[in-house]
Amino acid sequence: EDKVVQSPLSLVVHEGDTVTLNCSYEVTNFRSLLWYKQEKKAPTFLFMLTSSGIEKKSGRLSSILDKKELFSILNITATQTGDSAVYLCAAPEETSGSRLTFGEGTQLTVNP
Amino acid sequence: DAMVIQNPRYQVTQFGKPVTLSCSQTLNHNVMYWYQQKSSQAPKLLFHYYDKDFNNEADTPDNFQSRRPNTSFCFLDIRSPGLGDAAMYLCATSRSRLDNEQFFGPGTRLTVL
Repeated sequence: EDKVVQSPLSLVVHEGDTVTLNCSYEVTNFRSLLWYKQEKKAPTFLFMLTSSGIEKKSGRLSSILDKKELFSILNITATQTGDSAVYLCAAPEETSGSRLTFGEGTQLTVNP
Repeated sequence: DAMVIQNPRYQVTQFGKPVTLSCSQTLNHNVMYWYQQKSSQAPKLLFHYYDKDFNNEADTPDNFQSRRPNTSFCFLDIRSPGLGDAAMYLCATSRSRLDNEQFFGPGTRLTVL
């Protein structure tokens, strides 16, 4: 059974701090890994990673994948209170459709 | 703007009273998904449609049914809601089975009294 594990489950930081969120996975026939941000509503897409070692970047957020060690990290630099959210990591399963296996998420709280 | 729309955003029902949640999309995507997300948990896939082909997850209770009358709409029917069915229900779409990126609607928060 495919598995996605995130750590830490929750994190509290101060504005301006840099954070690193972790995601490890065990997926049959890996295709990609996705990061979503979820505030008090539906998840919004951040990144899709398919190739090892290539960093994806969007503003203060960046993410990288290590296919050899089966993990990904999501970095947020100079955090702001608006970054407070649950960050979900997910991997599509091999079976029919694009079923996503989600990790439990990391609850990030950024205090002013 | 192309999007995934869910109605209602909040639904309150009584124990055992059937309820229907709706999802529509203007993205013209082939695949539509229904997820259940309970507090502090990851979304759990209930079922998905690839076009008209329905795919149920093995552990989805029989109490949950779905209909997709056309490409744009998909419904989640809960025949006899129990207290344990209180959750956020998320609809998502993807272009095809090979397309990993899923677009989520805003969700419907279901309360069961």
